[in-house]
Amino acid sequence: AQSVTQLDSQVPVFEEAPVELRCNYSSSVSVYLFWYVQYPNQGLQLLLKYLSGSTLVKGINGFEAEFNKSQTSFHLRKPSVHISDTAEYFCAVSPNTGNQFYFGTGTSLTVIP
Amino acid sequence: DAGITQSPRYKITETGRQVTLMCHQTWSHSYMFWYRQDLGHGLRLIYYSAAADITDKGEVPDGYVVSRSKTENFPLTLESATRSQTSVYFCASSEKGAASPLHFGNGTRLTVT
Repeated sequence: AQSVTQLDSQVPVFEEAPVELRCNYSSSVSVYLFWYVQYPNQGLQLLLKYLSGSTLVKGINGFEAEFNKSQTSFHLRKPSVHISDTAEYFCAVSPNTGNQFYFGTGTSLTVIP
Repeated sequence: DAGITQSPRYKITETGRQVTLMCHQTWSHSYMFWYRQDLGHGLRLIYYSAAADITDKGEVPDGYVVSRSKTENFPLTLESATRSQTSVYFCASSEKGAASPLHFGNGTRLTVT
């Protein structure tokens, strides 16, 4: 069985400060990893994905994430946040042996002016 | 425009009534999914489909029915709505399943009174 844990339900951060949103997962098989962002009253949009290869992946809007297999983590980072980054962020995993996606409970990022 | 559309955006219904949420995608993606989003639970998979006429249960299928007679449509029916089914419902599609990211609709906010 797969599970995804986002340890922080809410993260307030000042504008232009760095941020890290944490994601840990458990799985008995290899997985693909994703981060999605959700703005109010909208569906989720893909930020970035890790399928294979380099463990550091870059996504849209200046976000990046690093896959750490030994720690089963896929933390999302941005060196300098903007007001427009205020949103809900979801980590998701998909076992490479199946076709389902499992989501964490989300982290609400609030950027403070 | 290409994409994935859900209808209606908002729906209020009474306990015991049948209600159908519609989902249409224009990419001809093989996989389609229905999720519900509830505070504290993130997104939970209700049903998914790998192709026309192929559907499978997800994490929380009880009380829901799906069909997929055409690749582009994946309606979700609540046969007898209950208050616990008050939620925001998201439809998503994926080109190839696990390794392909999900593309989400804007959601349907359903209230069961």
